[in-house]
Amino acid sequence: DIQMTQSPSTLSASVGDRVTITCRASQSVRSWLAWYQQKPGKAPKLLIYKTSSLESGVPLRFSGSGSGTEFTLTISSLQPDDFATYYCQQYNNYPWTFGQGTKVEIK
Amino acid sequence: QVQLVESGGGVVQPGRSLRLSCVGSGFTFSYSGMHWVRQAPGRGLEWVAVITHTRGNTYYADSVKGRFTVSRDSSKNTLFLQMNSLRPEDTAVYYCAKEQDYGDYRTSDSWGQGTLVTVSS
Repeated sequence: DIQMTQSPSTLSASVGDRVTITCRASQSVRSWLAWYQQKPGKAPKLLIYKTSSLESGVPLRFSGSGSGTEFTLTISSLQPDDFATYYCQQYNNYPWTFGQGTKVEIK
Repeated sequence: QVQLVESGGGVVQPGRSLRLSCVGSGFTFSYSGMHWVRQAPGRGLEWVAVITHTRGNTYYADSVKGRFTVSRDSSKNTLFLQMNSLRPEDTAVYYCAKEQDYGDYRTSDSWGQGTLVTVSS
């Protein structure tokens, strides 16, 4: 199985900050990498698919980049609604695998 | 508007069985690959199973292989997860999720609200 490792596990930031989350795959997933946002008690929400494609309705402050085994999610200017947990996920192979999550907290 | 509604969760003793259902609306159910993903309390996301949109092939996580079975009734827009020989470590919120409509490879773009399964004596 492909292991997905996110860093950091927790991130403290302020409104307006630029935030970057990294995701590393144990082997190449080509460009088949997605990012999800999850708030407490809610289902995950797709933000980005195929590394850098923004899901419909997702604000432009979210962006993704990378390829192969190294990927990043960037929030250009953190907003109050963005405090949540973020997961990367590879869908190049079954079983799909997720990173352990990055919790973005208020500083 | 896509909607997915899971049901069937509850408290069950170890070794017993449970069947989850997920009713979809707002999309062509028979054309969509459908997944189950679970989340243990306070933990991350774990993919469980898929039934593909093409031939209806099924794939499973090693942790549930041989115990869980995913199936669908497209006439009723319903996805199922039959869970047998349940273990305490199967305790989680179970989400059904629909695949994207397009793409060479498709991830999940819509999720249900989840149903809680608790395996405990």
